[in-house]
Amino acid sequence: AQSVTQLGSHVSVSEGALVLLRCNYSSSVPPYLFWYVQYPNQGLQLLLKYTSAATLVKGINGFEAEFKKSETSFHLTKPSAHMSDAAEYFCAVGGGFKTIFGAGTRLFVKA
Amino acid sequence: EPEVTQTPSHQVTQMGQEVILRCVPISNHLYFYWYRQILGQKVEFLVSFYNNEISEKSEIFDDQFSVERPDGSNFTLKIRSTKLEDSAMYFCASSEWTGNTGELFFGEGSRLTVL
Repeated sequence: AQSVTQLGSHVSVSEGALVLLRCNYSSSVPPYLFWYVQYPNQGLQLLLKYTSAATLVKGINGFEAEFKKSETSFHLTKPSAHMSDAAEYFCAVGGGFKTIFGAGTRLFVKA
Repeated sequence: EPEVTQTPSHQVTQMGQEVILRCVPISNHLYFYWYRQILGQKVEFLVSFYNNEISEKSEIFDDQFSVERPDGSNFTLKIRSTKLEDSAMYFCASSEWTGNTGELFFGEGSRLTVL
């Protein structure tokens, strides 16, 4: 069975500060990992995905994530937070006919 | 840009009533999904659908739930006899193909409130 755990249900950063959202996965097979973002009253939108081609994955809006097999992690980062980044972020592991989501981390950005 | 559309955006119903949530997936996509998100909780997989049959379903997707693709464009989720705990946001998603790299495209959700 596959699963993901997101550490921290809420993260607060100042505008311009580094964003770090943590995700650890569990998988018995090589995982395929995703980060999705959900803005208020909207559906989920793909930020980036890891499909084993490269361990450092770049996504939209300046986000990137690094796959670390030794740590079973896929943390999401952005060097400089913007007010528009305030949203809920979901880490997910995919495979077969379903994708399993983590509990989500709500990002707050302070001016 | 192609998108997944869902109707209604919000539905209020009485406990025990039947509800049908509708989705129009992206036209060239072959795989369809329903997820739900109870307020404040994680996004939970309900069911996936391909080639006019269920591919996989979770333990949540019991006999009160059913899915259907009644025509070439719509994909529906029916809840036969709603319970209070069915109150949630229901998301439809579609993907061009499945497999490990299949990106899901989500609709904006249908909020179901059961009174």
